[in-house]
Amino acid sequence: SAVISQKPSRDICQRGTSLTIQCQVDSQVTMMFWYRQQPGQSLTLIATANQGSEATYESGFVIDKFPISRPNLTFSTLTVSNMSPEDSSIYLCSDLQEADTEAFFGQGTRLTVV
Amino acid sequence: GNSVTQMEGPVTLSEEAFLTINCTYTATGYPSLFWYVQYPGEGLQLLLKATKADDKGSNKGFEATYRKETTSFHLEKGSVQVSDSAVYFCALSNQAGTALIFGKGTTLSVSS
Repeated sequence: SAVISQKPSRDICQRGTSLTIQCQVDSQVTMMFWYRQQPGQSLTLIATANQGSEATYESGFVIDKFPISRPNLTFSTLTVSNMSPEDSSIYLCSDLQEADTEAFFGQGTRLTVV
Repeated sequence: GNSVTQMEGPVTLSEEAFLTINCTYTATGYPSLFWYVQYPGEGLQLLLKATKADDKGSNKGFEATYRKETTSFHLEKGSVQVSDSAVYFCALSNQAGTALIFGKGTTLSVSS
């Protein structure tokens, strides 16, 4: 299994600012995903981070709001742009090998927008 | 489409009580099924999994059996501990290399 380090673990941000969350995996993985977990809710997939190309976004999520980078097979970032209080959530990255179904998760970033 | 339905929480139990958290799914083909656990302030950890019908996943005293005839994957534990207090998510994967689909999560609170 790949170990995922995600940072920051938490942050409190002013509305209108942006925050970049980093996800580092200790070995090369084919697939990386970003999820949002709103308070008391389940996980909602934001996008699939594709290595060397634009991320694939789910319905309701757009690149301007959640730009994602994936420069190599071990690293990805998610930026939450122009934040509002409605963006207060836990953001989680996840990895998966292309031939597998079992996913692993980072510890999450707890974001509060004030 | 694919979906996961799990019982609403919170579930409140006394230590050593028996636990069941129901999970049913809708999927085409033969999905893999998972239970993940999220302890307070932490990310998700894989608890157990099953990849084909009649498989039983088990870990840390928890068990779940993949029942294709009832499209279910109920989580059970014979004797819960205070340390089991967490949110439990049922999930499925219908294809290798694709993102998991999660249920809404069930909060378990165990008191001594």
